This record gives sequence, structure tokens and C-alpha cells, in this order.
Amino acid sequence: GQNIDQPTEMTATEGAIVQINCTYQTSGFNGLFWYQQHAGEAPTFLSYNVLDGLEEKGRFSSFLSRSKGYSYLLLKELQMKDSASYLCAGMDSNYQLIWGAGTKLIIKP
Amino acid sequence: IAGITQAPTSQILAAGRRMTLRCTQDMRHNAMYWYRQDLGLGLRLIHYSNTAGTTGKGEVPDGYSVSRANTDDFPLTLASAVPSQTSVYFCASSDKGTGELFFGEGSRLTVL
Repeated sequence: GQNIDQPTEMTATEGAIVQINCTYQTSGFNGLFWYQQHAGEAPTFLSYNVLDGLEEKGRFSSFLSRSKGYSYLLLKELQMKDSASYLCAGMDSNYQLIWGAGTKLIIKP
Repeated sequence: IAGITQAPTSQILAAGRRMTLRCTQDMRHNAMYWYRQDLGLGLRLIHYSNTAGTTGKGEVPDGYSVSRANTDDFPLTLASAVPSQTSVYFCASSDKGTGELFFGEGSRLTVL
């Protein structure tokens, strides 16, 4: 079956670095996506990886290892506004997204 | 402002009633989707449409129907609502079926 696993909740300190891990099993693979969702709001696209390696975009970076079925989202210089849920999603061979339940990130001053 | 508009934003509905959630996009995206989001679960795809005139079933289609008469509109209908359909519903679109989805603000539906 298809499955996306990520931690339910993480806590980090303002100004620090946090890594949110995601493991995936999909029927075929056409990329790994990260979305950010603030409480009560819609998800918004953060990043897309289809090749192994690190993609950096400002304070956020995303890493993919296809052989390990593993990705992580790295957030640097954490700000209070980064408090949100982070959703990992894998795209299968039918180009459909399979979503994880999301990781709620709590930032403390 | 370009984007996706959903209506209503919130609704309380008696079980057995018919309900249509509306979704309109002005980005001329080919693909549109309806998801439900429940606490502790990932987004689950209800129905999708890759282009106007075509629709497909997602992971949890039972009890729901959709239509795609044109590029911009993708309404979701609950023919006879049940309490298990209490959820937050998100409409989304993407250009050419890429994984970069643009979401509407969501419709919170409570079925009593």
C-alpha cells in the first residue's frame, strides 16, 4: 500500500534549526512535496524534490533520498510565524498526491 | 485577485439534506481537486478532474459527486449528508496536473 509517515508534533526554539522527517512508500514515484499549513488556513506549497539531494530556498531546504524513501524539510533561523503544520506528500505513478497527516511545529520564544 | 474561491466557508447541515460546495478558480488551471481534511489524517482526495468535461474518483468518493462543465467551476455535491461527512473540505487546482496545488480557503461542514 501507499503510505507517508511523519512525526505528529515537534517543538523548537525561535532562532534555532529544526528538521522534519518524512518517509514514503508510493506506487511509483513522481516527486516529493512539502506544504505549510497555518491553523485554520489552506495549505501552501513550499518545495518539490524529484532528484536526490538538497534543494535550498531561503530559510527552508528540502532533501530527498529516493533509495531510502526519505525526505526532510529543514527550517533555519526559526521565527514565530513558522509555527504551523508541515505536510509531506508523495506523488505516485498516476500523478496523484499521497499525503501524510502533517507535523505540527510549535515554536517557543 | 487570482486564486480559488470556495463557498460557503462554513455550514451546519441536518443529516439527510443535500448540499453543494462551490469552487471557482480564475487561473485557467486544467486540473481541479476536492479533498477532505480530518484531524489526525492526511488530506484525502474525494474526486478530481484533469480537464473540463472529465472527472475521476479519488480515495474516498462514496457519498459525493462532482461535475466539471467548464474550466473554472468544480462543485462538490453531497446527495444525502451523513455525520461522518463532517469535515473541512478543500478545493484545489494545478496547472497541467503538477503537484504544486493552489488551495481554496476551505469549507467547514458540520452534519448533525
